[in-house]
Amino acid sequence: DAGVIQSPRHEVTEMGQEVTLRCKPISGHDYLFWYRQTMMRGLELLIYFNNNVPIDDSGMPEDRFSAKMPNASFSTLKIQPSEPRDSAVYFCASSPPGLAGGSEQFFGPGTRLTVL
Amino acid sequence: GQNIDQPTEMTATEGAIVQINCTYQTSGFNGLFWYQQHAGEAPTFLSYNVLDGLEEKGRFSSFLSRSKGYSYLLLKELQMKDSASYLCAVRAPMDSSYKLIFGSGTRLLVRP
Repeated sequence: DAGVIQSPRHEVTEMGQEVTLRCKPISGHDYLFWYRQTMMRGLELLIYFNNNVPIDDSGMPEDRFSAKMPNASFSTLKIQPSEPRDSAVYFCASSPPGLAGGSEQFFGPGTRLTVL
Repeated sequence: GQNIDQPTEMTATEGAIVQINCTYQTSGFNGLFWYQQHAGEAPTFLSYNVLDGLEEKGRFSSFLSRSKGYSYLLLKELQMKDSASYLCAVRAPMDSSYKLIFGSGTRLLVRP
């Protein structure tokens, strides 16, 4: 089975440019999460979706960040305009239904973003 | 507020046993996870505790005490490949759903 797929794996851009990160969750998983990881702040939840609907976006840093999930197999995280402080590894994760029983999250390989 | 504490770094010897502690203070609790993350890779699931006690899975065990807000991950028969960061994460209920709150991770170095 294919795991969570993210693209691109690496992105280098200049300050002010738009950046779009993409994620394909594991088929059958109805939760999708976007995380950001830095040395200073560790792993932070940005936003998550359930059945394509955003549930909690309280971790989105500011209006420059937006996320969409147009269907069950695709999500994007967009940064516009990008800034050097956005440099981080961005992970997408998905998990299957069944909150009550406890469910692990399956992480994608991450996108390493560098904003110059 | 939400707070999860883990030691920053630990060092252990191949073949030995190491215990990584995690303490948490969160507004609500609905389970505790341990993830392993090798350098440059994604976190991978190790264990889940929702009730007090010990969960054993091969060389890895995880313990939870909800009254103390405390968990530990026990790694036995350490191997060089166990050198990685270990992340403690608490699932806290938020309105009608939940979110995982991660600690900063413990970087474990296994030496020959």
